[in-house]
Amino acid sequence: AQKITQTQPGMFVQEKEAVTLDCTYDTSDQSYGLFWYKQPSSGEMIFLIYQGSYDEQNATEGRYSLNFQKARKSANLVISASQLGDSAMYFCAMREVWTGTASKLTFGTGTRLQVTL
Amino acid sequence: GAVVSQHPSWVICKSGTSVKIECRSLDFQATTMFWYRQFPKQSLMLMATSNEGSKATYEQGVEKDKFLINHASLTLSTLTVTSAHPEDSSFYICSAATGVNSPLHFGNGTRLTVT
Repeated sequence: AQKITQTQPGMFVQEKEAVTLDCTYDTSDQSYGLFWYKQPSSGEMIFLIYQGSYDEQNATEGRYSLNFQKARKSANLVISASQLGDSAMYFCAMREVWTGTASKLTFGTGTRLQVTL
Repeated sequence: GAVVSQHPSWVICKSGTSVKIECRSLDFQATTMFWYRQFPKQSLMLMATSNEGSKATYEQGVEKDKFLINHASLTLSTLTVTSAHPEDSSFYICSAATGVNSPLHFGNGTRLTVT
């Protein structure tokens, strides 16, 4: 069974600073995918970044980067140059082995990020 | 980018009535869609996997007779909450992927309140 753990229920960061949101996972699969989503107060889920288990390079998407440490089973999200609009709930998620059709995601409990002036 | 449209965005209904929520993939075909439920300040919990042209696959503990899922076409899946009760009040959100190894794209969710 898969499990995603986000140990930080809430985080504060000052505007323009970088912040790291932690995510560890547990799986017996060799092939898996790791995702980060942002959920503003309005409720929609916004895809941020993806890391495949066989990807050798850490994923980056603009101000978002994923610090993937496979041996430690961690996939931390780093947000650089924080902006007020980054204040939201952030979820780490893992996808099961792709079986030819879309595979479901298992989500962590989330981290609420608050960006301050 | 891929767009998933969900309707309605919010609904209030009386206890005992049924509510239908629609999820559409606007610019791609989705053989599979997923329905999640989210209670306030909690994570998303998968309710069921909706497969076009076949029966949905429900997660353990989810009543299939209460949460009816129909995936009649490659762009539309519906979730019907039957005989709704106040404990069914929640945020329901659907998602779909454009293909192999692509991320799930989510609708904007439906906030259901049962009075």
